[in-house]
Amino acid sequence: KNQVEQSPQSLIILEGKNCTLQCNYTVSPFSNLRWYKQDTGRGPVSLTIMTFSENTKSNGRYTATLDADTKQSSLHITASQLSDSASYICVVSQYGNKLVFGAGTILRVKS
Amino acid sequence: DGGITQSPKYLFRKEGQNVTLSCEQNLNHDAMYWYRQDPGQGLRLIYYSQIVNDFQKGDIAEGYSVSREKKESFPLTVTSAQKNPTAFYLCASSIGGQYYEQYFGPGTRLTVT
Repeated sequence: KNQVEQSPQSLIILEGKNCTLQCNYTVSPFSNLRWYKQDTGRGPVSLTIMTFSENTKSNGRYTATLDADTKQSSLHITASQLSDSASYICVVSQYGNKLVFGAGTILRVKS
Repeated sequence: DGGITQSPKYLFRKEGQNVTLSCEQNLNHDAMYWYRQDPGQGLRLIYYSQIVNDFQKGDIAEGYSVSREKKESFPLTVTSAQKNPTAFYLCASSIGGQYYEQYFGPGTRLTVT
């Protein structure tokens, strides 16, 4: 079954600290993997998109990694800010145009 | 100002009534999508359209209907046949199929009592 599992479900960190969110998937055949940020009550906004050949991709303080062999991805947030408080969603595109969404990790950054 | 808009932001309806959610985009994208988001679950695809006057059912199409008469517009009707319609509804668009990056609207929260 094609699935995307994210961990942890939720996370609380202090402002200025780093954190890493995990995404494991069983989607096959793989096309690409995306990370989205979703503020409460808003639509998701794309952070990164990685294809099979890309191991790492950065967008400001956000760095995503992909290990296509182990079917794992991570999103690392550096020097967190209060505005990073949001849900982070991992999405895997299955070759042939189907997207499989993870349930998301809820991040809360405290001052 | 390019983007994708949804209206209204909040919608309240009585059980048994049909309701239509609006989605408009000025990104000149061919493909448009409707998703449903429930707490603790990943987004689920309701319907999608790759070109005008054509659309396909997603994973949870029962109780929903759509139309695509214009490239810019993809309204979703939640019918009385939908057993559990209360949810957050998200519209998205992309330049081509689902392989391409999707841009999401701000969402409509529908509450049916």
